[in-house]
Amino acid sequence: GENVEQHPSTLSVQEGDSAVIKCTYSDSASNYFPWYKQELGKRPQLIIDIRSNVGEKKDQRIAVTLNKTAKHFSLHITETQPEDSAVYFCAATKGKLTFGQGTILTVHP
Amino acid sequence: GAVVSQHPSWVICKSGTSVKIECRSLDFQATTMFWYRQFPKQSLMLMATSNEGSKATYEQGVEKDKFLINHASLTLSTLTVTSAHPEDSSFYICSARNPGEGAGDEQFFGPGTRLTVL
Repeated sequence: GENVEQHPSTLSVQEGDSAVIKCTYSDSASNYFPWYKQELGKRPQLIIDIRSNVGEKKDQRIAVTLNKTAKHFSLHITETQPEDSAVYFCAATKGKLTFGQGTILTVHP
Repeated sequence: GAVVSQHPSWVICKSGTSVKIECRSLDFQATTMFWYRQFPKQSLMLMATSNEGSKATYEQGVEKDKFLINHASLTLSTLTVTSAHPEDSSFYICSARNPGEGAGDEQFFGPGTRLTVL
């Protein structure tokens, strides 16, 4: 089955800095890669996703890149704000989602 | 988007009792729903895939006789935790894909159910 590795497990940045979270996956058949933000006790919230036929996608301060050859994808958040503080999960799927271990992002004012 | 609801949002029960959690797709029909479990400070782990009108598909290591899944309609899937024990205490989240939205890949998550077994 699919295996997704996510790094780092914790990330602390100053407000205004950029944050980068990286994930690798094992199954070359995976074709959809969403990123979720989860606040304590709440449901995962989709923040951006990318499909295997695209190398990069951007939505305002958030971008995702995908390298199919290397089987890794990354989340980039620019101009971080304190409200970006949360747990972020990457996932990969060909049908069913396999999640990474999560990254606790803390943005200090 | 698409809306998925879950009920109850939290439940406390005694060890040995059974607890039923409902997952509903409110504005679309979902032939497939997914059930996840999330322990504190951990990731979401897929427990099973719920298929409307047929048996659920369980992930390796998940006891199908303990976690009963019923998907009797296109908008409702239920998860019953039978003979619950303290180690079953967790955050249970369901999701569903809306085949009518985009490529149909995105999963829409319910708000989750916090189960505490005393």
